[in-house]
Amino acid sequence: AQSVTQLGSHVSVSEGALVLLRCNYSSSVPPYLFWYVQYPNQGLQLLLKYTSAATLVKGINGFEAEFKKSETSFHLTKPSAHMSDAAEYFCAVSEANNDMRFGAGTRLTVKP
Amino acid sequence: DAGITQSPRHKVTETGTPVTLRCHQTENHRYMYWYRQDPGHGLRLIHYSYGVKDTDKGEVSDGYSVSRSKTEDFLLTLESATSSQTSVYFCAISGTQQETQYFGPGTRLLVL
Repeated sequence: AQSVTQLGSHVSVSEGALVLLRCNYSSSVPPYLFWYVQYPNQGLQLLLKYTSAATLVKGINGFEAEFKKSETSFHLTKPSAHMSDAAEYFCAVSEANNDMRFGAGTRLTVKP
Repeated sequence: DAGITQSPRHKVTETGTPVTLRCHQTENHRYMYWYRQDPGHGLRLIHYSYGVKDTDKGEVSDGYSVSRSKTEDFLLTLESATSSQTSVYFCAISGTQQETQYFGPGTRLLVL
């Protein structure tokens, strides 16, 4: 079955600094990969998804992620952090005919 | 935003009592899901439905049952609530099993 590992349960960056949230996946077939964001007391919202088209995927709010098959990774980046980016981020993997599996989440703190 | 509502949004109950949570969608999506979210575990799938009266177990289904008598409604029942079921419960919907899931606002359940 597919699985996801998010490295680092907490990441702290300064405003304007690069954001890098790491995600590695395990899948026996070409997967669909997702990044979701959760703001306090809200449900999850889709940031971006990879569905076997372009390996570099652009999402909302200036985020992007690159699918690297050789590294089984799908890291999330943003060149310049904003205070409003503070939230919890979840990586997820989905295979055909299988449940979507979520990582444990990474809480991003942005310092002024 | 996808039209998904959950009720109640907050509930406090006592150990041993039955509890039913409701998820309602206005998007006519085929798939509906119930997850629980706990610190350090991300989201874990409890049950899901792939059509009216068609349901299947997820990763953490023990102690939970579900029903779907209409496309728009998916009910989660805790037959006899336990303190380990204190959690935040999220409903999600999708058109197919592998596609983007859209999440409701969540129900915060406290079992005393």
